Amino acid sequence: QQQVKQSPQSLIVQKGGISIINCAYENTAFDYFPWYQQFPGKGPALLIAIRPDVSEKKEGRFTISFNKSAKQFSLHIMDSQPGDSATYFCAASITYGRHNYGQNFVFGPGTRLSVLP
Amino acid sequence: ETGVTQTPRHLVMGMTNKKSLKCEQHLGHNAMYWYKQSAKKPLELMFVYSLEERVENNSVPSRFSPECPNSSHLFLHLHTLQPEDSALYLCASSQAADVSGANVLTFGAGSRLTVL
Repeated sequence: QQQVKQSPQSLIVQKGGISIINCAYENTAFDYFPWYQQFPGKGPALLIAIRPDVSEKKEGRFTISFNKSAKQFSLHIMDSQPGDSATYFCAASITYGRHNYGQNFVFGPGTRLSVLP
Repeated sequence: ETGVTQTPRHLVMGMTNKKSLKCEQHLGHNAMYWYKQSAKKPLELMFVYSLEERVENNSVPSRFSPECPNSSHLFLHLHTLQPEDSALYLCASSQAADVSGANVLTFGAGSRLTVL
């Protein structure tokens, strides 16, 4: 129930193409779904996040699509660039409120994206 | 310095050694975390400290011992580790969420540990 599944494990895309990474969860109590981006030698950094009350969120070339009934969400990277080459992690958490802290983040295993020039 | 700083960035130790990893956050956050990152596996939460009090310990072996002397510093003391403990150890910090949103984890660059 606490697991977040992520696919594909690795992805190779041509420059200018669309990169799509999919995640699925079981626990319907999750109410916050962030994506983290990690470059080699760096820690993960928050890229974009969504709550289940919306079906899509877009920030620049990055879009999260959310399907609450299917318990799935995905990251779309439009016009993929070589600089987007990194490992991407989806995650899910439950917001308790005022005194919440992030101990309840569940991460997917990651997708290594390579964008070819 | 800004963000979350981890030292050392690389550490090689024998199974009988005792070493420590250090984390410092300059963000004014009130919660700090240790995560273990192994190849092709999800990030594993090890310990959480909120307001300097340990609030989570995910069945981590006793050869890993955390210490949080204040809200800005976090240590992970290591002793008699096993080769399977070789991994990237990530420190993160966050601020307790307010009623309008979830908190965001800010990660350090990690300490790459190799146990021989």
